[in-house]
Amino acid sequence: DTGVSQNPRHKITKRGQNVTFRCDPISEHNRLYWYRQTLGQGPEFLTYFQNEAQLEKSRLLSDRFSAERPKGSFSTLEIQRTEQGDSAMYLCASSSGRRNTEAFFGQGTRLTVV
Amino acid sequence: ILNVEQSPQSLHVQEGDSTNFTCSFPSSNFYALHWYRWETAKSPEALFVMTLNGDEKKKGRISATLNTKEGYSYLYIKGSQPEDSATYLCALNYGGSQGNLIFGKGTKLSVKP
Repeated sequence: DTGVSQNPRHKITKRGQNVTFRCDPISEHNRLYWYRQTLGQGPEFLTYFQNEAQLEKSRLLSDRFSAERPKGSFSTLEIQRTEQGDSAMYLCASSSGRRNTEAFFGQGTRLTVV
Repeated sequence: ILNVEQSPQSLHVQEGDSTNFTCSFPSSNFYALHWYRWETAKSPEALFVMTLNGDEKKKGRISATLNTKEGYSYLYIKGSQPEDSATYLCALNYGGSQGNLIFGKGTKLSVKP
């Protein structure tokens, strides 16, 4: 499968625990995005990487959130001290960065904080 | 804050019906508009990327038009089939955004056989 891959697909965690999600983009894509989708809303932008550099962060990304993309390949999104409001679908997307091309999405990680 | 509006929020049609949805967005600083289809338990799938005023794109029974001056796009599905059931998302790429998309809330389509 050469699409965008996200792991795990589902995560249930207790409030206060740390969680980490992984995204493997399409191999030749240099841009990688993280989005969050909550019930009744469209996906909301969290952060963006160009190769290994994190170039933009949304105000939604509080201090408890951190994302990395070592070596410009896969990316991880970590949430520390999870809160019930963090329950959402976390989507990763990658693109080639060429003008007017679409982003390709993974299936997402569904996080439930209990 | 840029806002992308989609209507209707949900739609129920019979198999064979044709239908359309609307996406409205601020016309200033427009760069590109994306349509995605998101089926349950799958990845959002890109349908169209549209950039020019007056653009019309087609993929099978699905087509889309774009009006950047007045800030709207229409997505049409001709002869809906049950497999068209999904949430259709519209997303705006505006100048300076470096590629991140601003999504609407989507239109959830259910097609009954």
